[in-house]
Amino acid sequence: QLQLQESGPGLVKSSETLSLTCSVSGGSISSNSRYWGWIRQAPGKGLEWIASVFFSGNTHYSPSLRGRVTMSVDTSKNQFSLRVTSVTAADTAVYYCARRSTYCNRDTCFDFDIWGQGTTVTVSS
Amino acid sequence: QSALTQPASVSGSPGQSITIPCSGTSSDVGNFNYVSWYQQHPGKAPNLIIYGVTNRPSGVSNRFSGSKSGNTASLTISGLQAEDEADYYCGSYFASTALSVFGTGTKVTVL
Repeated sequence: QLQLQESGPGLVKSSETLSLTCSVSGGSISSNSRYWGWIRQAPGKGLEWIASVFFSGNTHYSPSLRGRVTMSVDTSKNQFSLRVTSVTAADTAVYYCARRSTYCNRDTCFDFDIWGQGTTVTVSS
Repeated sequence: QSALTQPASVSGSPGQSITIPCSGTSSDVGNFNYVSWYQQHPGKAPNLIIYGVTNRPSGVSNRFSGSKSGNTASLTISGLQAEDEADYYCGSYFASTALSVFGTGTKVTVL
């Protein structure tokens, strides 16, 4: 059964760069039918989609964060990563990685069907 | 793209049915069946409960059902139970840009 696990520093200083990694186990990241994404949730707030990446490296970013975020994939390690530059207190959140389908049929439809447990990131001044 | 709009809270008594609307536009909800719903209990990761507007993943209770009318998708929980108390989010996908978006979220309270 495929599982996702986020890892990264729990504390980042304001104006620095946040780096997170999602490790995929129980399946290959090199799937033609899946994108891999990052979603975050600020304290007491809703879900915010950040970005998604295909195993080939093709990426899509939220317009609200484009310019500060970069996603990458390492197929040899079965991992994908997120970098957020110039962080502020507004980037304090629980960051989730998740799997999304690339098509729509009776079994799936561009939904995020598998999620990691989340990792908490606090930006300090 | 803007977040999809949901009511902040919905409540109901055990055994009742409640419906959570998710309002979008013709660019997302209205013209495509790419709406999904997620349940999130406190301190836990979201869990997919509806995809493609009306479909339930294996293992999800049939008390959860989805529908759509115009630019608004809806999640209905029938036979409300204490364990249904959680936050619920709708989500959609923009085929033209390959971007994803979530709704503002609804807190369900079982009275």
